[in-house]
Amino acid sequence: EDKVVQSPLSLVVHEGDTVTLNCSYEVTNFRSLLWYKQEKKAPTFLFMLTSSGIEKKSGRLSSILDKKELFSILNITATQTGDSAIYLCAVEPSLGGGSEKLVFGKGTKLTVNP
Amino acid sequence: DAGVIQSPRHEVTEMGQEVTLRCKPISGHNSLFWYRQTMMRGLELLIYFNNNVPIDDSGMPEDRFSAKMPNASFSTLKIQPSEPRDSAVYFCASSFSGRKAQPQHFGDGTRLSIL
Repeated sequence: EDKVVQSPLSLVVHEGDTVTLNCSYEVTNFRSLLWYKQEKKAPTFLFMLTSSGIEKKSGRLSSILDKKELFSILNITATQTGDSAIYLCAVEPSLGGGSEKLVFGKGTKLTVNP
Repeated sequence: DAGVIQSPRHEVTEMGQEVTLRCKPISGHNSLFWYRQTMMRGLELLIYFNNNVPIDDSGMPEDRFSAKMPNASFSTLKIQPSEPRDSAVYFCASSFSGRKAQPQHFGDGTRLSIL
């Protein structure tokens, strides 16, 4: 069964800290790994990773994938209170060529205190 | 650009009633996904469609749940009869399905409470 495990489940930091969120997975056929940020409503897309070792970066957020060790990390530098959210990791199995269902982890709840 | 649009935003009803959730995907997207989110189980896929055809409904809990996609711009998820354990946030997501992996984009969800 395809599985995604995120750690830690929750994290409390102070503004300005750097955080690393972890995601490990087991999947029969891997297509992509995605990170989403969920505040009060919809999960919003952050990154999609398909290749090992290539860092994706957007402002203070960055992510990298290791397909050999089956994990990904999401880094947030100089955290701000607006970064407080649940961060979801999802894996898209299948090499079928079309969109496939995502398997989500339970998420990491990040709280950034002023 | 309009994102995925879901309605209603909130629904409160008594057990045994029929519930219909609606979704309009992003224009041009050809895959549509229905998810359910609870504290205990997180985000779970219920069913997804590709080009309006149901591809995988293995996540649908039981026969009380049904989903349709009559055209490329509309889908419904129906629960009949509803039960208190169906209370959750239901999300619809859409993406463009092609050779290159594309991210799914989510609507704001419907918060369903069955009393």
